[in-house]
Amino acid sequence: SQTIHQWPATLVQPVGSPLSLECTVEGTSNPNLYWYRQAAGRGLQLLFYSVGIGQISSEVPQNLSASRPQDRQFILSSKKLLLSDSGFYLCAWSVFGNTIYFGEGSWLTVV
Amino acid sequence: GQQLNQSPQSMFIQEGEDVSMNCTSSSIFNTWLWYKQDPGEGPVLLIALYKAGELTSNGRLTAQFGITRKDSFLNISASIPSDVGIYFCAGLAQGAQKLVFGQGTRLTINP
Repeated sequence: SQTIHQWPATLVQPVGSPLSLECTVEGTSNPNLYWYRQAAGRGLQLLFYSVGIGQISSEVPQNLSASRPQDRQFILSSKKLLLSDSGFYLCAWSVFGNTIYFGEGSWLTVV
Repeated sequence: GQQLNQSPQSMFIQEGEDVSMNCTSSSIFNTWLWYKQDPGEGPVLLIALYKAGELTSNGRLTAQFGITRKDSFLNISASIPSDVGIYFCAGLAQGAQKLVFGQGTRLTINP
């Protein structure tokens, strides 16, 4: 069966510091991969999605970037965090794009 | 972009009551999904619907894909305390490549 894992689960970072959140999927090949952000426990905002290695689509302009160095690995990064980057970040995967499955989430607090 | 109108935004009910929530769209959808999110965790897929008129159950949960293909509802029968959480609908519009999410329904249950 397929599994998705993202880490770290919780992160407290100072303003201006870098960020790296990692996500891996097991049990499937060539999945679509996604990064979502959720603020205040409501609403899922799609940040990035990828249909293959090195292929990244950005949904909103922001202080973040994503990379897909391997088929089942998706990384969310920032060079310099802002206070507004705080939130709950969710990695997700799908095979055909019509049903997606989420990871456990990563809480980021920028102080 | 596509918008989903999910209602109600919040529900406060007594344990044992039935719950009903729905999502509507302005365009035709090919897929409707319902997720539940517990505090601090990623959304978990409850029910997936892929055909107009489809009625699917998962234990005490029942969801239907509307005949017009522009709406879906989720019912929970005989609510219990562990039903507390945020419920999200999501859909894939005809011709679209990415899912659209509703804003969520927060369910609170008084014992």
